[in-house]
Parts: sequence; C-alpha cells; structure tokens
Amino acid sequence: AIRMTQSPSSLSASTGDRVTITCRASQDISSYLAWYQQKPGRAPKLLIYAASTLQSGVPSRFSGSGSGTDFTLTISCLQSEDFATYYCQQYYNYPRTFGQGTKVEI
Amino acid sequence: QVQLVESGGGVVQPGGSLRLSCAASGFTFSSYGMNWVRLAPGKGLEWVAFIRYDGSDKYYADSVKGRFTISRDNSKNTLYLQMNSLRAEDTAVYYCAKNQGLSDYEQFDYWGQGTLVTVSS
Repeated sequence: AIRMTQSPSSLSASTGDRVTITCRASQDISSYLAWYQQKPGRAPKLLIYAASTLQSGVPSRFSGSGSGTDFTLTISCLQSEDFATYYCQQYYNYPRTFGQGTKVEI
Repeated sequence: QVQLVESGGGVVQPGGSLRLSCAASGFTFSSYGMNWVRLAPGKGLEWVAFIRYDGSDKYYADSVKGRFTISRDNSKNTLYLQMNSLRAEDTAVYYCAKNQGLSDYEQFDYWGQGTLVTVSS
C-alpha cells in the first residue's frame, strides 16, 4: 500500500496567516492526489483534486501544488472557518490511502 | 441535490455482525463507483472499500478483507456494507462517499453524514 505522510501533524495559526501543509507519497502517484477538510462531527469536504484543481465552490484562498511524491496545500489567508483537520489522499491505486491528518488550530 | 444517507450503525459485541446502508439520491447512482470510509475515535480517515458502478469490481482495505463485504442495489439506489467478525478496532463513524467521475482514478466529491458503529461487550 502507498503510504501518505503529512506534516506537520498539527499547527497553531491566527486568522490572516498563510498556512502550508505538505504530503509525501511513498511512491510516484503522478497527480492523483486530493485534499479534504474535516470539522468535528461533520463529513469530510473535497477541497482540491488532481493535486491542484480547486473543487467547485471552494474559496480561492485554498491552493494545491506538486506531482510525483511531494505535494502541498496552501491556505493563503486563514479564516476562522478554516480551523479544521486536513487530509491528503491518493487515488492512484488500491487500497486508497489517506495521510494521518493535519489539525489547524487557533 | 446529491444526498447520501447512511443508516444501520449501533452497538454490537465483538464477533458480531452489522449491515450498513447508504441511500443515494440526486444523481444517477448506477453510473458511479462508491466507497466506504471510516473515522475511528482519535484517528484519521481510513478508506474501507470500493465498488464499481455495476458491482463488477470490489476492493478492500487489508484491515477488513475477508470480514466486510461491499454491495449495491442499483434498483434501490442503495449501497451496503456487511460487517462480520467485528472487532473493537472497527469502532468508528462510517461514511459512504461517491466517486466524482466515471474513470478508475477518482476523488470523492460527496459524503454522507456518517453512522456510528461501536464494537463493545
């Protein structure tokens, strides 16, 4: 199985900050990489797919980059509603695998 | 609008069985691959299983292979997860999630609200 490793596991930030989360795959997954946001008690929400394509309706302060094994999610100007846990996920092969999550806290 | 509504969760003893359902509406269910994903307490998301749009292919996480079975009834727009030989480590909120497109490489664009499964004596 492809191992997805996110860093950091958690971070503290303030509204208005620029936040960067990285995700590394244990093998080349091309651009078959998605990012999800999850808030407590809520279902995950798709933010970005194909490593850098913004899902419809997602604010443009979210962006993704990378290919191969190294990927990045950036939130350009953190808003109060962005405090959540973020997961990367590869869909290159089965089993699909998620990173362990990055909790963004105030 | 797309809706996915899970049901069937509850408390079950170790070694027991449970069947989860996911009722889909707002899209052509029979055209899309579907998944189950779970979130255990204090843990991260874990993909559990996938079924192709017509049921012809199924894939499972190693942690559930041989114990869980994914299936679907396209006439009822419903996805299922039969869970047997349940263990404490299967305790989690279980989500059904829809593939966004029709290819073999798809992210999950819609998720249900989840149903809680607790395995405890």
